[in-house]
Amino acid sequence: GAGVSQSPSNKVTEKGKDVELRCDPISGHTALYWYRQSLGQGLEFLIYFQGNSAPDKSGLPSDRFSAERTGGSVSTLTIQRTQQEDSAVYLCASSQMTGTYEQYFGPGTRLTVT
Amino acid sequence: EDQVTQSPEALRLQEGESSSLNCSYTVSGLRGLFWYRQDPGKGPEFLFTLYSAGEEKEKERLKATLTKKESFLHITAPKPEDSATYLCAVQDIASGTYKYIFGTGTRLKVLA
Repeated sequence: GAGVSQSPSNKVTEKGKDVELRCDPISGHTALYWYRQSLGQGLEFLIYFQGNSAPDKSGLPSDRFSAERTGGSVSTLTIQRTQQEDSAVYLCASSQMTGTYEQYFGPGTRLTVT
Repeated sequence: EDQVTQSPEALRLQEGESSSLNCSYTVSGLRGLFWYRQDPGKGPEFLFTLYSAGEEKEKERLKATLTKKESFLHITAPKPEDSATYLCAVQDIASGTYKYIFGTGTRLKVLA
């Protein structure tokens, strides 16, 4: 079946602009996670959604970052007033539920802020 | 504070040369420890979940083990296709959340 998809695959934007990154999880997966991976670094947790529960936003680095998940499926990560330090690969993962279920990752969106 | 440290940062092996990767962790209470493999330009791919000290899991040339402070990923007779970055992550049951804490990974290169 279809895996997790993310769009766009690459995004170049100017400092100060807003960007939206999209994640389509595997159908039926109720948990959805966003991560950021900078060059040579591990995955930095940003936010997760579980069903209709309030999301855990504890990893968002500033109030310029926000995310929503509509209808329990597609999710959008929005970065406002982008800064050069926001340049990274943004990865999305979904799993059947939160807990220790296997996460399936998308291919990521490479964001470059010039 | 929850912490995951992986070593070495990078490892070069000859084909057939067995070795081990280390993941040291600090959590209040371990819900699970996870190993993932990541190829360049791709998202991580799940390998194993370990839950308690003494547990072992195997898949082809890989075997993961767990103690109360660390996990090892043993690679037996590696092949060039095993070249990748191997990531370790934990969930802390005491955190009250289901977020994962990842290490920075070990970049493995297997030479033919």
